[in-house]
Amino acid sequence: SQQGEEDPQALSIQEGENATMNCSYKTSINNLQWYRQNSGRGLVHLILIRSNEREKHSGRLRVTLDTSKKSSSLLITASRAADTASYFCATDESGSRLTFGEGTQLTVNP
Amino acid sequence: ETGVTQTPRHLVMGMTNKKSLKCEQHLGHNAMYWYKQSAKKPLELMFVYNFKEQTENNSVPSRFSPECPNSSHLFLHLHTLQPEDSALYLCASSHTYTGELFFGEGSRLTVL
Repeated sequence: SQQGEEDPQALSIQEGENATMNCSYKTSINNLQWYRQNSGRGLVHLILIRSNEREKHSGRLRVTLDTSKKSSSLLITASRAADTASYFCATDESGSRLTFGEGTQLTVNP
Repeated sequence: ETGVTQTPRHLVMGMTNKKSLKCEQHLGHNAMYWYKQSAKKPLELMFVYNFKEQTENNSVPSRFSPECPNSSHLFLHLHTLQPEDSALYLCASSHTYTGELFFGEGSRLTVL
């Protein structure tokens, strides 16, 4: 069953703008992870945020987690054309295996 | 380079063929996974191996047969597949069951 659901499904922005993607989930979690996938390639882990954390940064990435709303957001600041990819959130359903959402397709136009 | 290698990267097979996908990791991870990624669908977990033992089979048809001979290698044996099995098959490994996943580049399978 699908746990995380990303929103929007597709996002198109200009280079230099910020991109925000959201993820909602249904059950309690221990951690939430964000991954990136370039077309036809494997997924690459971006960041993991634990249920007792509210915000985490990694370079131009900022992830927030609101367990009361069962939602997370991924912010990419000062986007670049190379950020064009699909972005997925993954959650562990009550400590069980990870399940992935359908992803957000981000296009950054030069 | 994630440390997880999948071969072949591309495979075309007929419905009566038998082929295998191979995955190799030298990250010292204990868990290995097969995922299926079809167009416009979420990533589907197929099989999980933890310390070489299969811990999950997510209702996968028997025409897909996994094999984990040791903690570094994982195979997916394919037999009498259907055209709808055409997809990107991704292997991943992790140190812990719900920790960070390291993915291979995937094997793009086309069933004619």
